[in-house]
Amino acid sequence: NAGVTQTPKFQVLKTGQSMTLQCAQDMNHEYMSWYRQDPGMGLRLIHYSVGAGITDQGEVPNGYNVSRSTTEDFPLRLLSAAPSQTSVYFCASSYSVTGGHMNYGYTFGSGTRLTVV
Amino acid sequence: DAKTTQPNSMESNEEEPVHLPCNHSTISGTDYIHWYRQLPSQGPEYVIHGLTSNVNNRMASLAIAEDRKSSTLILHRATLRDAAVYYCILRDLGGDDKIIFGKGTRLHILP
Repeated sequence: NAGVTQTPKFQVLKTGQSMTLQCAQDMNHEYMSWYRQDPGMGLRLIHYSVGAGITDQGEVPNGYNVSRSTTEDFPLRLLSAAPSQTSVYFCASSYSVTGGHMNYGYTFGSGTRLTVV
Repeated sequence: DAKTTQPNSMESNEEEPVHLPCNHSTISGTDYIHWYRQLPSQGPEYVIHGLTSNVNNRMASLAIAEDRKSSTLILHRATLRDAAVYYCILRDLGGDDKIIFGKGTRLHILP
């Protein structure tokens, strides 16, 4: 199993550019989420999804869009990049707590390091 | 969302047990207690979770207070590789599934 795969690993954007951070999981997890982690800080929830076709906002959703057309993929779109979005982005997935599974710890990807200049 | 409180940092000597505390006084009956750790320059990794009873796995043990208002992650024999930020978080079985991370405890292991 590949687990949670994030691409790209590194990206430099100019202010105002748009891009999509990709996240894919092969564990048939219902739940997926995106976090950002600024230097020396904890993780902040951007958006999350409890299943295909369902998304919701987290703590810091402004400037980001998500969609969940399949169970496997949960892309994060930056509409117009700003220097304040310079961060490391982590995608995570797990079984949903309502799915009846007993093991629902999160699995995290290795992150995308984004710099906006 | 129920919140957790952890010390900012702790130190321990190598090869000794480590007890990492977490307070969650507003925990609800449907909240599971999860622990994750984040090694330097890596994504977080799942350590252990529990509801009411103490739990053991190959990485650690989780001791949950009888009133569930606090818990302790126990590393039985710390190694230098256990130096990381440890996060205690709550996941609501009856809620919207999202997990909010706090600042965690930075564990330093002294050789």
